[in-house]
Amino acid sequence: EIVMTQSPVTLSVSPGERATLSCRASQSVYSNLAWYQQNPGQAPRLLIYMASTRATGIPARFSGSGSGTEFTLTISSLQSEDSAIYYCQQYNNWPPYTFGQGTKLEIK
Amino acid sequence: EVQLVESGGGLIQPGGSLRLSCAASGFTVSTNYMSWVRQAPGKGLEWVSIIYGGNKTSYADSVKGRFTISRDDSKNTVYLQMNSLRAEDTAVYYCARQRFYWFFDLWGRGTLVTVSS
Repeated sequence: EIVMTQSPVTLSVSPGERATLSCRASQSVYSNLAWYQQNPGQAPRLLIYMASTRATGIPARFSGSGSGTEFTLTISSLQSEDSAIYYCQQYNNWPPYTFGQGTKLEIK
Repeated sequence: EVQLVESGGGLIQPGGSLRLSCAASGFTVSTNYMSWVRQAPGKGLEWVSIIYGGNKTSYADSVKGRFTISRDDSKNTVYLQMNSLRAEDTAVYYCARQRFYWFFDLWGRGTLVTVSS
């Protein structure tokens, strides 16, 4: 089973600034990685797939990068509605599909 | 409208059974990979089970032998039969559509299962 580790656990950033979230895989997943955003009481929403491709309707301030075992989600020019928990997920080796434990992004 | 709607959750005693339903609209479940993903209170996301192709299935080790995923193509609905439920199965259960066998591109709102005496 591939273990996904996200850092930091919590991140606090001011509006208009940039947030950088990290995700590490225990072995290479190539570019087979997705990012999701989850607001309280809501279902997750797909943000990024194939490590760097934005899903339909996702604003350009969200970008993904990386390959192999190291990945980054960058949110530029933070807005208040970006406050959420962000999860990474690998789909290179399954079953099982595995998620990171999440990063909680707080807007100062 | 393309959507997934889960139902069937509730309070159940340990050792009991429950069947969750996931009704799809706007697309056909039989031509997609469909999964259940759960989230325990205050915890992260955990993949549970998948159904695809000609009723091929797979399960997380934590539910193997206790849960069964199935599909009714005439109703465009996916099910999760949960038997021998344990307290640690308490979670919101989400139904999700996958792009091929990859990421989850459409999620339902979830249904809460609480296993408690």
